Amino acid sequence: GQSLEQPSEVTAVEGAIVQINCTYQTSGFYGLSWYQQHDGGAPTFLSYNGLDGLEETGRFSSFLSRSDSYGYLLLQELQMKDSASYFCAETFGGYQKVTFGIGTKLQVIP
Amino acid sequence: DVKVTQSSRYLVKRTGEKVFLECVQDMDHENMFWYRQDPGLGLRLIYFSYDVKMKEKGDIPEGYSVSREKKERFSLILESASTNQTSMYLCASRETGTGLTGELFFGEGSRLTVL
Repeated sequence: GQSLEQPSEVTAVEGAIVQINCTYQTSGFYGLSWYQQHDGGAPTFLSYNGLDGLEETGRFSSFLSRSDSYGYLLLQELQMKDSASYFCAETFGGYQKVTFGIGTKLQVIP
Repeated sequence: DVKVTQSSRYLVKRTGEKVFLECVQDMDHENMFWYRQDPGLGLRLIYFSYDVKMKEKGDIPEGYSVSREKKERFSLILESASTNQTSMYLCASRETGTGLTGELFFGEGSRLTVL
């Protein structure tokens, strides 16, 4: 079964910063990814952390701590178009299978 | 440009029918995946193929089988469709190799309704 945990919903104000946390509990862990999915659309890749630390891509950053089995996605300068679901996904096992969390629905309000 | 194509966007089938969901990728990727997505449950892995004719079960393989006879095509088969298999089905592919991010490229999804 799924071993990833993330909040189901988050609401934040336009222009603000929001952090979406994700914890995992899988042996053979390779890395943590983040995906964005707008209603009616397919998931799209945002970032990947294979090593501890912070990865930054524009307004989005992602962090991983292997010792804490924890990661987060940080969205800065929120825009209305950032309203979407955000999934953390873990890569694990010999052939690097990928499983997803339940997703966090982010609502950005004016 | 990267492209993963799922053969049908919408399907309606009867209970007990055999259903084939087809997925084709044009990126020469080794790995392909089938997920189902249901509200509140996120994306759940059904099957994973790491190479032609090679497969691994995901978290919910019961009631499903897969076929990967050619590198570009990964088929999901529902041997005898049931109403609890009504869902959105998503196919994805991934390139393998050291130093890559492991990004999954998704198709647009196939929404299956079983009556």
